[in-house]
This record gives sequence, structure tokens and C-alpha cells, in this order.
Amino acid sequence: EDQVTQSPEALRLQEGESSSLNCSYTVSGLRGLFWYRQDPGKGPEFLFTLYSAGEEKEKERLKATLTKKESFLHITAPKPEDSATYLCAVQAQGSGTYKYIFGTGTRLKVLA
Amino acid sequence: KAGVTQTPRYLIKTRGQQVTLSCSPISGHRSVSWYQQTPGQGLQFLFEYFSETQRNKGNFPGRFSGRQFSNSRSEMNVSTLELGDSALYLCASSSDMNSPLHFGNGTRLTVT
Repeated sequence: EDQVTQSPEALRLQEGESSSLNCSYTVSGLRGLFWYRQDPGKGPEFLFTLYSAGEEKEKERLKATLTKKESFLHITAPKPEDSATYLCAVQAQGSGTYKYIFGTGTRLKVLA
Repeated sequence: KAGVTQTPRYLIKTRGQQVTLSCSPISGHRSVSWYQQTPGQGLQFLFEYFSETQRNKGNFPGRFSGRQFSNSRSEMNVSTLELGDSALYLCASSSDMNSPLHFGNGTRLTVT
């Protein structure tokens, strides 16, 4: 069964304390892996797409990496405004079409 | 470029009633997907429409239905509401299968 698991469920960091969020997946026919940020009361905001193992993408303090079994979202020297829920999703080949499977997210809190 | 617009933002309905939610995708995006988000289950896929045709469907009962109009705007309908239908309903649009989903800010549905 296709599955996406994110860890940890919640993370508290001090401002400037770097860390990584994990997204492990089991899917057949991976087409792409996506990272989103979701603020309270809002919809997910697209961050990155990764397509193949070894690929990396960066944006400000965030860097996403991909292996054959998992992806990491590295947060370097986070600031309080980085506090949000980070969602991982995989796009997999379905029967005749494709489908997205989302993880349940990591709630990140960055303390000043 | 305007983002995905969902209306209304909030809805309170009584068990047994029906409800219609609306979504206007990003201009030029022909694919519209709907997701249900709850704290325990995360984002669950409802269905996807492309050029007025349902292209994919998740594992939800027939009480959940949708449609897409020629201008790509989409509506989702839930009939015979149950307490468990209380959730954030998110609409997402994309330009094609190789592009990421872009989400609206959702409709918060409360069933009492």
C-alpha cells in the first residue's frame, strides 16, 4: 500500500537551531515528491518539487533532499516566522492516471 | 496572478443538510482537485477534474460529488451531512500533471 510518513509529528526549536524534518515513503511508480508549508487557517503553500534520488532544492533557509526511500527538509538557522506545519506529498502513478498521497505533517515551532 | 479562491471561508450546517462549496482555480489551470483535511487524517483526496471530466476519485462515499464548468471553476457538493464531515475542504489547481498543486485557503465546514 502506498504510504507517506513524516517525523517528528512536532518539533520545537530555538531561533538559530538547525534541524531536519523527515518524510519516508513507500509508493510504486514515484513521479515526484513535494514539500508544502501550511500556516494556521490557510491552505498549503508550495515549496519544492523533487523528482529523482540525489536531487536537492534550496530556498532561503530551507533545503530539500531526496533519496530512494525518503526526503529531508533541512532548516538552517530558523527564525520564528518559519513556524508552520510542513507537509510532504508524493505523486504516484495510479491506474491510468496519477495520485497524490500526503503525510500528516510536522508542526514546527521556532522560539525567539 | 490571482491564486486559488474558495468560497465561502466558513460554513455551519446541521446534520442531514447538504452543502455546496465553490472553487476558482488559477487562471489557465485546467485541473482542479479537492481534499478533505482533518487533524487525525491529514489531507485525504476526494476527486480531480480536468476539462469538465472527473479524472480521478478517492475513497469517499457517494454523498460527496463534484463538477467542473467550462471556465474550470469547480463545485463540490456534500449531501446528507454527518458530524464526521466537519473538516477543512481544500481545493487545488494545477496547469498539468507535471506541475505542483496550488491550494486555496479552504472552506471550514462545521456540522452540528
